[in-house]
Amino acid sequence: GNSVTQMEGPVTLSEEAFLTINCTYTATGYPSLFWYVQYPGEGLQLLLKATKADDKGSNKGFEATYRKETTSFHLEKGSVQVSDSAVYFCALRTGGTSYGKLTFGQGTILTVHP
Amino acid sequence: DTAVSQTPKYLVTQMGNDKSIKCEQNLGHDTMYWYKQDSKKFLKIMFSYNNKELIINETVPNRFSPKSPDKAHLNLHINSLELGDSAVYFCASSQGGQGGQETQYFGPGTRLLVL
Repeated sequence: GNSVTQMEGPVTLSEEAFLTINCTYTATGYPSLFWYVQYPGEGLQLLLKATKADDKGSNKGFEATYRKETTSFHLEKGSVQVSDSAVYFCALRTGGTSYGKLTFGQGTILTVHP
Repeated sequence: DTAVSQTPKYLVTQMGNDKSIKCEQNLGHDTMYWYKQDSKKFLKIMFSYNNKELIINETVPNRFSPKSPDKAHLNLHINSLELGDSAVYFCASSQGGQGGQETQYFGPGTRLLVL
């Protein structure tokens, strides 16, 4: 079956530090990959996505590249801000019999200090 | 305008009660979902409906019964609530038929506490 593994959190950084949150996956077929972000007290929002190998998703300074050879989709940002403090979820989605279902990683809590 | 809305936002109730959570989307999507987020933030799919038809039903107790009166609504009814049902429940929607590439849009969540 499908599964997603994220790096253990919580992650605590100072403002302007470089961020990497690792994500690896196991999937049948060719999944689409997503990063969702959950700000405190809110629902999930799509941060970025990539639908095929070597695609790079990017948004709000965050980037992730779909690496089929390493089955990874690591999230990076060059300079984090306090407002980036949130929970980040890596997820995958395949078509076919798992129609519609997103499989999530366990989430990584990010706290950015001034 | 809120794309995916849920009511109530908070729900505190006693064990054994029956409660419902409502979800509505105004995006014109044909697929809706219910996810459960536990206290450790882990998110897991519960149900998915496409054009009012149930297409995903994960291993969820029979006490949970989704109902989709139309494409824009997917409600979740829970009978005989238990302590372990305490969680945040998220509704989501997407436009299907994109081979897995479609984005799911999430509601703000309903925080359920069973005492």
